[in-house]
Amino acid sequence: GESVGLHLPTLSVQEGDNSIINCAYSNSASDYFIWYKQESGKGPQFIIDIRSNMDKRQGQRVTVLLNKTVKHLSLQIAATQPGDSAVYFCAENGNDYKLSFGAGTTVTVRA
Amino acid sequence: SQTIHQWPATLVQPVGSPLSLECTVEGTSNPNLYWYRQAAGRGLQLLFYSVGIGQISSEVPQNLSASRPQDRQFILSSKKLLLSDSGFYLCAWSVPSGRVYNEQFFGPGTRLTVL
Repeated sequence: GESVGLHLPTLSVQEGDNSIINCAYSNSASDYFIWYKQESGKGPQFIIDIRSNMDKRQGQRVTVLLNKTVKHLSLQIAATQPGDSAVYFCAENGNDYKLSFGAGTTVTVRA
Repeated sequence: SQTIHQWPATLVQPVGSPLSLECTVEGTSNPNLYWYRQAAGRGLQLLFYSVGIGQISSEVPQNLSASRPQDRQFILSSKKLLLSDSGFYLCAWSVPSGRVYNEQFFGPGTRLTVL
């Protein structure tokens, strides 16, 4: 079946640098995408979302890019901070009430 | 504002014992409710979702069941736990939109260890 997946399972980034986390999806019917951040032992927290009629959306220090042509989603974090260390999940909504989640990328920020 | 509660936060149970995890949502009415399980270092697997009282949809065959006795209460149960039931259980809610833009808000989770 169709699913959401991530290109890399881990990402190590120097504090202050920008981070880019990638996600591939295969359901062409998906029209809403979300990035979540999950810190150790906690539930996922919403970071930013994007609808399929957009290709870019910016939040505070984060930007989500959507390329529907190649079914690719990315999350960019500017000036990465130690508090950004977490697992990041992309999720897609292509089927009514449900979200499909990728496996997650673990981001580690080096001081 | 809306809040979601889960308890207990952690639980250690022997194989074959029953299970009851509870999730409650405050500050919203008629939410969609979800139970997920997360294995260590893995993604989220949807177990059940509910769009109303007494309405439960199961996503995967398993040793667990869910119930929604009240609008903002969602319970995950098992009659006899298996070792494979160990994991991090997350409850989530969303605004009932019928379709799309279905942002889900997660609870703090319950860490279940079956020995």
